[in-house]
Amino acid sequence: KNEVEQSPQNLTAQEGEFITINCSYSVGISALHWLQQHPGGGIVSLFMLSSGKKKHGRLIATINIQEKHSSLHITASHPRDSAVYICAVVGGTSYGKLTFGQGTILTVHP
Amino acid sequence: GAGVSQSPSNKVTEKGKDVELRCDPISGHTALYWYRQSLGQGLEFLIYFQGNSAPDKSGLPSDRFSAERTGGSVSTLTIQRTQQEDSAVYLCASSQSDSAWEKLFFGSGTQLSVL
Repeated sequence: KNEVEQSPQNLTAQEGEFITINCSYSVGISALHWLQQHPGGGIVSLFMLSSGKKKHGRLIATINIQEKHSSLHITASHPRDSAVYICAVVGGTSYGKLTFGQGTILTVHP
Repeated sequence: GAGVSQSPSNKVTEKGKDVELRCDPISGHTALYWYRQSLGQGLEFLIYFQGNSAPDKSGLPSDRFSAERTGGSVSTLTIQRTQQEDSAVYLCASSQSDSAWEKLFFGSGTQLSVL
């Protein structure tokens, strides 16, 4: 079993739909990153979380440390949101050593 | 430069040859990370540098892999005697420090193909 599990692996939505991507982890962490990777490879850091909730535009990320679970929500989805979303956790004492989930491929149709 | 720069963007090499991949982090960023993204394998950590501290090499898959960071800035990842399973995208990232709170900035990667 991977230390970081994402679900779903693939997600297809219609423009305007509310989207949720889940991330569960089995190790103690000091922080969790949500990353976005567009076709062509570029990776962008969306959020870093250690507790609670963060919001940026149409994106919302939450984390529950006790349940070892994080979610990324996209409101009013748009075709430009189509990308791979990757959850990555930072171990308690190894700040540079990320353990990555396998990614969720999101496709938003117009 | 404004972002993390990696070169070359593509590298094709023959099995058994050595390759060097370069990463130029954002100016002033003290933490630098190397990751690998293999087809079907996802992303994996290779090595990270923080300032003048000894690097964390725990993710390097074999002793054919090594990395150095000169003057706290540019880093070079060297793969000796390349094998076909080394084919992957090698990604570099930097952050202002190695705190878990720091945002990561990724380069666009080097696509390595070992024939």
